[in-house]
Amino acid sequence: NAGVTQTPKFQVLKTGQSMTLQCAQDMNHNSMYWYRQDPGMGLRLIYYSASEGTTDKGEVPNGYNVSRLNKREFSLRLESAAPSQTSVYFCASRPPGGVTEQFFGPGTRLTVL
Amino acid sequence: SQKIEQNSEALNIQEGKTATLTCNYTNYSPAYLQWYRQDPGRGPVFLLLIRENEKEKRKERLKVTFDTTLKQSLFHITASQPADSATYLCALDGTGGGNKLTFGTGTQLKVEL
Repeated sequence: NAGVTQTPKFQVLKTGQSMTLQCAQDMNHNSMYWYRQDPGMGLRLIYYSASEGTTDKGEVPNGYNVSRLNKREFSLRLESAAPSQTSVYFCASRPPGGVTEQFFGPGTRLTVL
Repeated sequence: SQKIEQNSEALNIQEGKTATLTCNYTNYSPAYLQWYRQDPGRGPVFLLLIRENEKEKRKERLKVTFDTTLKQSLFHITASQPADSATYLCALDGTGGGNKLTFGTGTQLKVEL
C-alpha cells in the first residue's frame, strides 16, 4: 500500500494563478482532510470530507475549494493564489469506525510570489 | 474557542534520559487526545491515542498521561535516543463531528549524545 500520496511535492505560483493539489489514499478510508502548516501556527484544518460525496469547511476555508472525486481522491483548489497561502499543505485520511488516528501524506510545499 | 498549548521552546536532553513533553488545553473537554511525531519535511505520524477515561497509556518506550482535571497531557519517552529527535504534536478531537482534530503547535525534541 502506498498510503496517502500527494502531488506535487513543490510548487511556486504567482499571485492570481490557480492550481489544484491532488491527494489519494489506497487504504479504503472514508474520511479525508486537508491541512495547512505554518511556522508557529501548527496544523490548521482547511476542509474535510467525512465520506464520498460530502465536504465541509474547517477552520481556515477562505480562498480554497475542494472536490471529493471518489472514495480515494480528495483535491484542494486555489482559484486565485495569494502570498498568504504560502504554506505546507498536508492531506490526511482516517479509517472508518470509532475513534482512530489520521494518516498523513508527505505534504506539498507551496510558495506564492 | 478551544486552545491547545505546547511548549514552543525546543527541549534538549541527553541520550538515555527521559523526555517529558507537555500539552495543555483550555475551553474544551476532549473525549480523546492523540500524539504524533513529525520529522522535518515529512507528514505527522501517529504514535498514541488516549481516551478521557484512561489515565495512562503505554507503547514500548512511550507513555502518555491524560489529566482531565488539570486539562493536561504528558508525553514521556524513556531511555531516549538521538533517533527520537523530532517535533511532537498533540491533537484533541474537535467540535462539530467529522472526527476532526485540533493540533497544538508542537514541541521540538533534540536528544544529544
